[in-house]
Amino acid sequence: GQQVMQIPQYQHVQEGEDFTTYCNSSTTLSNIQWYKQRPGGHPVFLIQLVKSGEVKKQKRLTFQFGEAKKNSSLHITATQTTDVGTYFCAGPKGGGSNYKLTFGKGTLLTVNP
Amino acid sequence: GAVVSQHPSRVICKSGTSVKIECRSLDFQATTMFWYRQFPKKSLMLMATSNEGSKATYEQGVEKDKFLINHASLTLSTLTVTSAHPEDSSFYICSASTRDLRGDEQYFGPGTRLTVT
Repeated sequence: GQQVMQIPQYQHVQEGEDFTTYCNSSTTLSNIQWYKQRPGGHPVFLIQLVKSGEVKKQKRLTFQFGEAKKNSSLHITATQTTDVGTYFCAGPKGGGSNYKLTFGKGTLLTVNP
Repeated sequence: GAVVSQHPSRVICKSGTSVKIECRSLDFQATTMFWYRQFPKKSLMLMATSNEGSKATYEQGVEKDKFLINHASLTLSTLTVTSAHPEDSSFYICSASTRDLRGDEQYFGPGTRLTVT
């Protein structure tokens, strides 16, 4: 079945350093979504990428969708302690456009002040 | 906008009893709701997809008779864990989706931490 893989599983950085998490799908995706879950909290939708090669920015966060629409990355510039949490990527289950999502295992980011 | 609530936030129950968890979309109509289970430091595992007025679709390996889902209206879905056992202890999260909103993204409730003793 469809698999969505994320690396690294954990990342610890000093405040001010950059951070990147990578997401790879075993199938081509119609879109990819990113969510953030703070410790003890619930996932919060960050962004959806739809087009091949798409790049979107949200302040210090840069999201990319690969040309083949099978991989994606999230890059945070100059991390802050408020960035702490687990970042999940998710793609439509089955690769097509439907409501069900397959989540990656997530990357837990911790930031040392 | 796009707020989803869940109740209760925490529940402790004894083995053999049933627990009902409610998921409500507060400011929009959710055509589809999802129920997930999350173990500590793990990813979200989709349990079932719930559409208003129809039977839920369960993922492989999820027992339909144990995890009863009812989507009675466009703003309410319930998950009942029947005859709970300690291994059912987990974090249960619902989410809601509607293409009328913005796209396929899902809006998550705050979750329910179930502990079965």
